[in-house]
Parts: sequence; C-alpha cells; structure tokens
Amino acid sequence: GQSLEQPSEVTAVEGAIVQINCTYQTSGFYGLSWYQQHDGGAPTFLSYNALDGLEETGRFSSFLSRSDSYGYLLLQELQMKDSASYFCAVRGGGFKTIFGAGTRLFVKA
Amino acid sequence: ETGVTQSPTHLIKTRGQQVTLRCSSQSGHNTVSWYQQALGQGPQFIFQYYREEENGRGNFPPRFSGLQFPNYSSELNVNALELDDSALYLCASNSERGGDEQYFGPGTRLTVT
Repeated sequence: GQSLEQPSEVTAVEGAIVQINCTYQTSGFYGLSWYQQHDGGAPTFLSYNALDGLEETGRFSSFLSRSDSYGYLLLQELQMKDSASYFCAVRGGGFKTIFGAGTRLFVKA
Repeated sequence: ETGVTQSPTHLIKTRGQQVTLRCSSQSGHNTVSWYQQALGQGPQFIFQYYREEENGRGNFPPRFSGLQFPNYSSELNVNALELDDSALYLCASNSERGGDEQYFGPGTRLTVT
C-alpha cells in the first residue's frame, strides 16, 4: 500500500527550531512536497524536493533522502503564526498526490 | 489568495441525494485535482483532470465523478450520498500536468444527514 508517516503533534516555543519528519512508502515517486494548513483554511504550498538534499525558502527548509524514503521540514525562528497543521505529500505514479495525516504544530510563547 | 475559488462554501444534503461542487481555477492552470479531507486528516486524492480529461484517480467509487471545462472551471459530482461523504472538499490547480505546486481553493464543507 501507499502511506506517509509523520508525527501527529509537535510543540515548540517561540523563536525555537522545529523539525517535522516524514517517511513514505509509495508506488512511484516524483517528489516530496510540504503544505501548511491553518484551522478553517486551505492548504498552502511551502516547498518541494525532487532530488536529495536541502531546499531553503526563508525560515523554512525541506530535506529529502530518496534512498531512505525520508524527508523533513525545518522551521526556524518560530513565530506564533506558525501554529498550524503541516502535511507532507508525495507525487507518485498515475498523477496521484498522496498526503500524510498531518502534524499539528503548537507554538508557545 | 490563491486565485482558486469554490462554491458553495457550505452545503447540507440528505443521504441518497446527489451533489455538485464547483471550482474555478487560476487562468492558465490546465490541471485541477479534487481532494476529500475529513476532520483531523490529510487530504485524500479523488481524481485529477488535465485539459478536460481525467488522468489520475484515487480509491474512490464511481459515484464520484468530475468534469473540467475549457474556461478553467470544474465540477465534482457525488451521487447516492452516504453519511461518510461528510467532509471538506478541496480543489487544487497547477499549471503543469501532475505538477507539484498546487494552489488550493477554500473548500466546500459538505454535511450529509
């Protein structure tokens, strides 16, 4: 079957760094994406990795290791507004995008 | 703002009824995907349309069907509604076939009673 595993919940303090891991098992793999979703809102695209390594976009970075079927999202200088759910997603074969169940991030003052 | 709109915002239907949800993509975005998101879960891929043809489908029964139109609008139709169909339905568009940066609409909250 196809599955993505990520922690259900992470808590961190304002200004800290947090890492959200994602492991995947899918038939076909074109890349790993990350999305942020605030309560009551729609998912918004954060980053995409097709090749191994680190991609940096401002305070957010994303990493991929294809050999380990593993990636992570790194959030630096956490702000209260970063409290949200974060989803990893894999674009696999057949033009399907599979999402993980999401990691709920709580940022405390 | 992603430039993707959906209607209606909320909808209440009775089991066994049929429903049509609508999405308007960004101009130039030839690909639209539909997702079902249950509370506390990640979006589940229903299907994807590219240039008015279905080119990918998730594990949803045939009573879930769709259409995409040349004017970048699309529809999700669900027949014979079941209680488990209650969820947030999201459409997402992107400019490339099977591309990775998807722009989501605000969703339609469907409640089946």
